[in-house]
Amino acid sequence: DAKTTQPPSMDCAEGRAANLPCNHSTISGNEYVYWYRQIHSQGPQYIIHGLKNNETNEMASLIITEDRKSSTLILPHATLRDTAVYYCIGILLGNQFYFGTGTSLTVIP
Amino acid sequence: EAGVAQSPRYKIIEKRQSVAFWCNPISGHATLYWYQQILGQGPKLLIQFQNNGVVDDSQLPKDRFSAERLKGVDSTLKIQPAKLEDSAVYLCASSRWWEQRPGNTIYFGEGSWLTVV
Repeated sequence: DAKTTQPPSMDCAEGRAANLPCNHSTISGNEYVYWYRQIHSQGPQYIIHGLKNNETNEMASLIITEDRKSSTLILPHATLRDTAVYYCIGILLGNQFYFGTGTSLTVIP
Repeated sequence: EAGVAQSPRYKIIEKRQSVAFWCNPISGHATLYWYQQILGQGPKLLIQFQNNGVVDDSQLPKDRFSAERLKGVDSTLKIQPAKLEDSAVYLCASSRWWEQRPGNTIYFGEGSWLTVV
């Protein structure tokens, strides 16, 4: 299994960009990198996913290094509602998501 | 598009009692998952269905947990008898396909919170 490593917690000032790193050094060539977030008392919410190229959607941008060993999720203008636990998932085996403990992001007013 | 529906939202039971959780996936989604999330941890996969067949139940404690998806749509997760360590959030999720392919995303419900006292 490709193991992902994330910092346990991060702070970000409201209105600034939040950059959340993830290491997935054992990811294989055909495995996507997915990001989810979980706001307190809610189910995980899909954010974005990518394979090799950088991706952007209405929620965030995903930057994947050329060697695919790490990625960064970017929330361009963090708001208080972005306070959540962010999970980087580096393996899809038969589409089974294995979650780690994630990064707890706190957006500070 | 309606999301993944789960009920009940909250349940408190005494140890050794039984409990059942219900899930209705997003329409057209063939794959359904049950996850267990203990406070402070990430979700852990318990069982995965493809239509009404089990793809993986290797993490399901089969001595007390059971799950079914009889008609390939709704699913029920049962715990009998419950233990204190079963206190957790039980998350149901669904995806359109089983295999990894572009655009295949897993969508989660709000979860069913279980407290065993």
